Amino acid sequence: AQSVTQPDIHITVSEGASLELRCNYSYGATPYLFWYVQSPGQGLQLLLKYFSGDTLVQGIKGFEAEFKRSQSSFNLRKPSVHWSDAAEYFCAVGGVPQPNDYKLSFGAGTTVTVRA
Amino acid sequence: DAGITQSPRYKITETGRQVTLMCHQTWSHSYMFWYRQDLGHGLRLIYYSAAADITDKGEVPDGYVVSRSKTENFPLTLESATRSQTSVYFCASRDSLNTEAFFGQGTRLTVV
Repeated sequence: AQSVTQPDIHITVSEGASLELRCNYSYGATPYLFWYVQSPGQGLQLLLKYFSGDTLVQGIKGFEAEFKRSQSSFNLRKPSVHWSDAAEYFCAVGGVPQPNDYKLSFGAGTTVTVRA
Repeated sequence: DAGITQSPRYKITETGRQVTLMCHQTWSHSYMFWYRQDLGHGLRLIYYSAAADITDKGEVPDGYVVSRSKTENFPLTLESATRSQTSVYFCASRDSLNTEAFFGQGTRLTVV
């Protein structure tokens, strides 16, 4: 069974400081991994995704994530946080979409608060 | 407009009533999903569908019914609403070319 664990429910970070959000996954085959962001009252927007190739993936809004197969992790990072990064962040795992295996499973989310 | 739209955006209903949440996508994506979002639980999968007339149960399907007679529509019905079904519901779609899921804006459902 596929699953995602986001160990940190809530993180508070100062504006300009670095941010790292943790994600651990369980998936039987080669996974697709995703990070989504949800601003208050909004839908989910894709930040970045990984399937193969370079294990360091660049996304939108200055975010990056690193895939570590040995640790089953896909942690999200940003070197310098802006107040607009305050949101909820979700990690997700799934396979190559095909009729017998196409669902995405999400973690419980990490809420990021940015203080001035 | 192109994209994935949910209606209504907000709904208040009474316990025991049937309510249907609508989801429509314009991309002809094969795969569609319904999730519910609750504090502390993230997004939990209710039902998903690989194509018209093909649906599967997710993690929390009890009390919900889905249908998919057309590729672009994937309505979710609460047969007899309960207070525990108060939540924010998200519809999403995905295909084999664009591997990520695209989400609607959500429906906030309150059962009183």
